[in-house]
Amino acid sequence: NAGVMQNPRHLVRRRGQEARLRCSPMKGHSHVYWYRQLPEEGLKFMVYLQKENIIDESGMPKERFSAEFPKEGPSILRIQQVVRGDSAAYFCASSPPARGVPLNTDTQYFGPGTRLTVL
Amino acid sequence: AQSVAQPEDQVNVAEGNPLTVKCTYSVSGNPYLFWYVQYPNRGLQFLLKYITGDNLVKGSYGFEAEFNKSQTSFHLKKPSALVSDSALYFCAVRDGRSNYQLIWGAGTKLIIKP
Repeated sequence: NAGVMQNPRHLVRRRGQEARLRCSPMKGHSHVYWYRQLPEEGLKFMVYLQKENIIDESGMPKERFSAEFPKEGPSILRIQQVVRGDSAAYFCASSPPARGVPLNTDTQYFGPGTRLTVL
Repeated sequence: AQSVAQPEDQVNVAEGNPLTVKCTYSVSGNPYLFWYVQYPNRGLQFLLKYITGDNLVKGSYGFEAEFNKSQTSFHLKKPSALVSDSALYFCAVRDGRSNYQLIWGAGTKLIIKP
């Protein structure tokens, strides 16, 4: 059973370009979470998606950032007009459908991350 | 305010000695607590979690953690450290207001010296 896949692993963009980060959840997982990790810091929640639905995007900047999880294919985190401050590691995690509502205790499993460098 | 604190930026332990990585939390409701490990240039790997039940939780690679409600702590422990345990360790707690959001500590760098 393959784990969470993310690509690319490393992405270099110049200021003003667009960055597209992809995440394929573990098989059987329908929940996807995106996190950002700045150097020497912990993870910061960005967005939580289920298939074709954004459940919570409270951690995502209001401008330039968007995320989707289509019915088919990977989840995409898109950053438009990147700036140097966007340089970070972006991690995707997935979890299976919640068995207990509202108490979802399922573990989130993480991908290897995409390290974005903005020149 | 809901938060997780890992008071030590770095912990140094000699190989073979016991290790402890500290974590304290503040959250509304019952805490669901997690430990993850991150190796250089890799993603986070799940180690263990506490949801309910026995306060001592055993996880991967010989790690365990003890939930202490009165001290609001969830320290990670291992009886005998290995050099290969050297990594960055993150404690996380589920946000009591959310069904899924995790609040993360800043991480503790664990260095095991041979």
